[in-house]
Amino acid sequence: QGQLVESGGGVVQPGRSLRLSCAASEFTLSTYGIHWVRQAPGKGLEWVSVISYDGSNRYYADSVKGRFTISRDNSKHTVYLQMTSLRREDTAVYYCARVQRMTAYFEHWGRGTLVTVSS
Amino acid sequence: SSVLTQPPSLSVAPGKTARITCGGNNIGSRSVHWYHQKSGQAPVLVIFYDTDRPSGIPERFSGSKSGNTATLTISRVEAGDEADYYCQVWDKTSDHWVFGGGTKLTVL
Repeated sequence: QGQLVESGGGVVQPGRSLRLSCAASEFTLSTYGIHWVRQAPGKGLEWVSVISYDGSNRYYADSVKGRFTISRDNSKHTVYLQMTSLRREDTAVYYCARVQRMTAYFEHWGRGTLVTVSS
Repeated sequence: SSVLTQPPSLSVAPGKTARITCGGNNIGSRSVHWYHQKSGQAPVLVIFYDTDRPSGIPERFSGSKSGNTATLTISRVEAGDEADYYCQVWDKTSDHWVFGGGTKLTVL
């Protein structure tokens, strides 16, 4: 089944930047699309972004478009989420999840990393 | 983009059947996937493509769809089924992935 491990979360001031990583182990990351999904404290799941297996297609939620950038380095078995111009409403646990095709179901999730945007 | 509507909460006695609904425009033409999320844990896929069950998910979990409503049914509910349940679709008109608001299942 393999593992996805998110990292890079922490406390950051509004307006600053942060880069999250999603590292894959025990499976071949380069054959999977990867989504980022977030969950604000006490709230539901919100889709954030997706990147295709080869990086050729990327999509973003309206709430983060123009501020967040998804990328991947298959040689390092890692997908990134570069977050800029962070807002308090970006505070959430960020999960990465893999899909066999971009439009398919989220078959396996990481445990998440907490991002807190606060002054 | 699509909006998926779920009841915020549902309470069921052990051994009974829980039915969690997910409504939305054009849901009949979209594949619906379901996840459960236990407290403090990551979501887990329980039903995909409306009715399919991943390996490791008990047969007590089943999915169905009629018109613009998808339903996750949990038969013979157990205390361990207590969790938040989310439906999800891909909105091809916007290339956005959409989750329902979630249903908190309480086992009495």
